[in-house]
Amino acid sequence: DVKVTQSSRYLVKRTGEKVFLECVQDMDHENMFWYRQDPGLGLRLIYFSYDVKMKEKGDIPEGYSVSREKKERFSLILESASTNQTSMYLCASSLWGGVPEAFFGQGTRLTVV
Amino acid sequence: AQKVTQAQTEISVVEKEDVTLDCVYETRDTTYYLFWYKQPPSGELVFLIRRNSFDEQNEISGRYSWNFQKSTSSFNFTITASQVVDSAVYFCALSVSGNTGKLIFGQGTTLQVKP
Repeated sequence: DVKVTQSSRYLVKRTGEKVFLECVQDMDHENMFWYRQDPGLGLRLIYFSYDVKMKEKGDIPEGYSVSREKKERFSLILESASTNQTSMYLCASSLWGGVPEAFFGQGTRLTVV
Repeated sequence: AQKVTQAQTEISVVEKEDVTLDCVYETRDTTYYLFWYKQPPSGELVFLIRRNSFDEQNEISGRYSWNFQKSTSSFNFTITASQVVDSAVYFCALSVSGNTGKLIFGQGTTLQVKP
């Protein structure tokens, strides 16, 4: 069974903390993505990566950074968490150059207090 | 610019009713893919279907069917004889970026099927 695994289902962090959201995929996919899901807004792309150490900004990168040191792992970093970053975060992966069907993790619901 | 619009925020039906979820997309690209995903309460997005822009054939899979019409830029999803297990948030998505596989999502439609 192919899998995208996010390290936490639920997280509660304090304002100003540095937060790491981890994502691992076992499908040898080149592309990895971080999306944010908010009611009424659907999923919005924060960052994506199409190769190790490569990253590109998505539609809402402000306040976030990413790291991809290994092909299977893509981390989302909130440098200084703020309450407006309270949201559901979804990681996904897909093949480079193939049919762009993305596989998603189970999501991390982050609450910043 | 690319955009996906799901105008229906919430739909509530009674079990065994048929229900159609609407999706309208915008793109100037001639090559693109359209998707439907289901998000049950557990949170994970589950892939349902993919369509490329050159294939306008409608598709049926069990109780699910999809109607792709380029003339109206629509890719609608119909559930026949709905069941309680169909209750979920459904997302329509568009990919035009070729190799990178970036998806542009609609706002989502929450479907509630009551027994």
